[in-house]
Amino acid sequence: AQSVTQLDSHVSVSEGTPVLLRCNYSSSYSPSLFWYVQHPNKGLQLLLKYTSAATLVKGINGFEAEFKKSETSFHLTKPSAHMSDAAEYFCVVSDMTTDSWGKLQFGAGTQVVVTP
Amino acid sequence: SQTIHQWPATLVQPVGSPLSLECTVEGTSNPNLYWYRQAAGRGLQLLFYSVGIGQISSEVPQNLSASRPQDRQFILSSKKLLLSDSGFYLCAWSVGGAGQPQHFGDGTRLSIL
Repeated sequence: AQSVTQLDSHVSVSEGTPVLLRCNYSSSYSPSLFWYVQHPNKGLQLLLKYTSAATLVKGINGFEAEFKKSETSFHLTKPSAHMSDAAEYFCVVSDMTTDSWGKLQFGAGTQVVVTP
Repeated sequence: SQTIHQWPATLVQPVGSPLSLECTVEGTSNPNLYWYRQAAGRGLQLLFYSVGIGQISSEVPQNLSASRPQDRQFILSSKKLLLSDSGFYLCAWSVGGAGQPQHFGDGTRLSIL
């Protein structure tokens, strides 16, 4: 079975400073991993995806994530936070079992606050 | 490009009233379709998924139902709403099997009075 653990429920950063959101995963198969962002009263927007190609994945809005198999981690980073980055972020793993139809396992989410 | 539409954006309904939320996808064929609920302060709960017309699988027993009358149309319904049905309902689509991301609509905020 697959699962994800987001290690921080809340992260507060100052505008212009780096952002680090931590995610560990558990998977019996080579996983596909995603990060999504959700702004208030909006749907989830895909930031980036890892599907067994390059371990450093670049996404939209300056975000990137690094897949580390030895650490079973997929942390999300951004060099410089912007006020518009204030939102909730979800780390997600795709169920890769042979009879899967594409079910996703969501982390509990990390709420990011950006202060001026 | 593919787009997904959900409506209405917000809905206030009395307890015991019926419900119909609609979701349509454009720009792709034979998508997998999903309904999720997101309760306040909680994560996403998968309610239903569909891999084709008329094929619905339920993940969680409840008084909700789903239907897929057309390839790119997914409907969430209830005959009698409960207070516990309040929440943020999200529709999503994907193509292909395991390992593919899902793409979400903007959601419907449902409040039950």
